[in-house]
Amino acid sequence: DAEITQSPRHKITETGRQVTLACHQTWNHNNMFWYRQDLGHGLRLIHYSYGVQDTNKGEVSDGYSVSRSNTEDLPLTLESAASSQTSVYFCASSRGTTGELFFGEGSRLTVL
Amino acid sequence: AQSVAQPEDQVNVAEGNPLTVKCTYSVSGNPYLFWYVQYPNRGLQFLLKYITGDNLVKGSYGFEAEFNKSQTSFHLKKPSALVSDSALYFCAVRDESGGYQKVTFGTGTKLQVIP
Repeated sequence: DAEITQSPRHKITETGRQVTLACHQTWNHNNMFWYRQDLGHGLRLIHYSYGVQDTNKGEVSDGYSVSRSNTEDLPLTLESAASSQTSVYFCASSRGTTGELFFGEGSRLTVL
Repeated sequence: AQSVAQPEDQVNVAEGNPLTVKCTYSVSGNPYLFWYVQYPNRGLQFLLKYITGDNLVKGSYGFEAEFNKSQTSFHLKKPSALVSDSALYFCAVRDESGGYQKVTFGTGTKLQVIP
């Protein structure tokens, strides 16, 4: 079955370190997204991509970057981790223009 | 600005009773509306969506939702709740003319089904 996987599922890091969260989907979807989930805020969009070599900033993109070199992968990089980036991160993908989002299981990041 | 409100942080319902999880929205154009469910330590799973057509939308696991344009609501319902329905439920909306980047999620409603 097609799926979307995230790694690592749990990560503890220190302030100032670079962190990369991986996202891999086998749905062959063109559209991929990164969200963060925080209590009281629901899900907020960090970055999104509509295809290879296409990346765009979302609502809360400061301190984050993404790259899209193939259809399957959209890694999220925190250039210099900050305590405010402690959160649960979800990758998602979708097809078409009205389709629902398919989410990964999430990556819990703690920045000490 | 586009927004979604889920007025209840938590809804408690007895097993076997009908359940309703409320959602109201605000968009400038025609809405695309979605419900997702999140079980503990899991990602969100799609339940159902309204794009156009019949105001009553049926989805996964026996859930349905009613689109009410005049009240700008899209409440999630189920005729008979199961303990396994206990989870966090998210409503989401986007404007018909907007892309995926303009999807707005509510803050979520925790559903607790009591045996």
